[in-house]
Amino acid sequence: GNSVTQMEGPVTLSEEAFLTINCTYTATGYPSLFWYVQYPGEGLQLLLKATKADDKGSNKGFEATYRKETTSFHLEKGSVQVSDSAVYFCARTILGGGAQKLVFGQGTRLTINP
Amino acid sequence: EAQVTQNPRYLITVTGKKLTVTCSQNMNHEYMSWYRQDPGLGLRQIYYSMNVEVTDKGDVPEGYKVSRKEKRNFPLILESPSPNQTSLYFCASSLGPRGGGASELFFGSGTQLSVL
Repeated sequence: GNSVTQMEGPVTLSEEAFLTINCTYTATGYPSLFWYVQYPGEGLQLLLKATKADDKGSNKGFEATYRKETTSFHLEKGSVQVSDSAVYFCARTILGGGAQKLVFGQGTRLTINP
Repeated sequence: EAQVTQNPRYLITVTGKKLTVTCSQNMNHEYMSWYRQDPGLGLRQIYYSMNVEVTDKGDVPEGYKVSRKEKRNFPLILESPSPNQTSLYFCASSLGPRGGGASELFFGSGTQLSVL
C-alpha cells in the first residue's frame, strides 16, 4: 500500500541541539515527499518538499533528502530554536485517476526547551 | 491574502443534530479536500473534490457529505453526528494536478468538533 511512518514522539530537546525526525515511506510508485509543520492552534503549512530521488528540500534551516534506496525522507536541523516547537508531519503523494492525494504520517510533536 | 477559511473554529453539538462546517478559498484552486486529525492517527482524508460538481470519497467518508457547487466553497456536512466524529477537522486546497504532482496543499486553521 501507500503509507508513511514517522518516528514516535514526543521529542524534547534543548535549544541549539541537533534534530532528526525519521520518516520512511512505502516504495509504491514515484511519490513526491513533503514535511508539513503545525504550530499550536494553527493548520498545517508546508515546510519543505522533494519531488524525485536525491532531491534535497530545505527551508528555515530544516533539510530533508529524498533517499530512494532507503525509502526515507528524514527531517534534520543543525540547531533548533524554541520557536521550532510544533508538530511535524511527513507526507507522500498518491496520484491516480487525475486525483492528487496526500497520505500523512501520524505526526511527531517537538518541544524545544530554552 | 491567500487563505483557506474555515468556520466555526470550535463547535459543540449533540448526537443527531445536523451541522455544516464551511470552507472557502480565495486562490482559485481546483482541488479541495477535508481531513480529520486524531491523536496517533495523523490526518485522514474524508472527501475531496477535483473541481465544481466533482467529489469523491477519501479514506474515512462514512457519516459525512460534501458538496462543490462553486469553485471557492467546499462545505462538510454531518447529517447525524455521532460521538466518534469528535475530532479536529481541516479543509485544504491546491492547484491539483494542474500544478504538477507536488503542488502545495494550503490548510485552513481547523475546526474542533465535539459531539456529546
